Amino acid sequence: EPEVTQTPSHQVTQMGQEVILRCVPISNHLYFYWYRQILGQKVEFLVSFYNNEISEKSEIFDDQFSVERPDGSNFTLKIRSTKLEDSAMYFCASSEDSRETQYFGPGTRLLVL
Amino acid sequence: AQSVSQHNHHVILSEAASLELGCNYSYGGTVNLFWYVQYPGQHLQLLLKYFSGDPLVKGIKGFEAEFIKSKFSFNLRKPSVQWSDTAEYFCAVGSARQLTFGSGTQLTVLP
Repeated sequence: EPEVTQTPSHQVTQMGQEVILRCVPISNHLYFYWYRQILGQKVEFLVSFYNNEISEKSEIFDDQFSVERPDGSNFTLKIRSTKLEDSAMYFCASSEDSRETQYFGPGTRLLVL
Repeated sequence: AQSVSQHNHHVILSEAASLELGCNYSYGGTVNLFWYVQYPGQHLQLLLKYFSGDPLVKGIKGFEAEFIKSKFSFNLRKPSVQWSDTAEYFCAVGSARQLTFGSGTQLTVLP
């Protein structure tokens, strides 16, 4: 069964550094998403992406964040200047259609020191 | 804005006990409802979903959920749990290309 994959599984970075989290969505899916889960808190929506542009974003997704689909398979989340409070598990998801089930990747655990 | 409440933060059951996990949501429009499960060390997996039609939906591994519109609820049930059901369970509401998750319920099944 096709799966969403994410790299790296863990990332440790210094405050102020840029990080890029990578995702490979399921190949025939058209909608892509990023969520995050701070330890002990809810899974929170960050952004959805369709047709090479952002379709929805939450208040969390400020100017520090950006998303890109640099080629036909990857979907990336960039955090420009990381803060301590960006430490979280980041999940990528994809779906065939906006109303369809979202399939999640295994997540990237980001730790900002 | 939509929101999801899961009232049970941690549930501990013995094997063969019946399970019901509560989920209530608030949203003014048409909703899509989901239950996801996260087994230890694994990623979020879909258990079941409700978009329309029969309000009693059956999912994988013997789970089912009932959508009760008047109560804004979508409770998850399983008649007889197994040790392998130990996991965290998340209720979610979907609309406008995003999911809103509840805080999750950690289920521990004792052998």
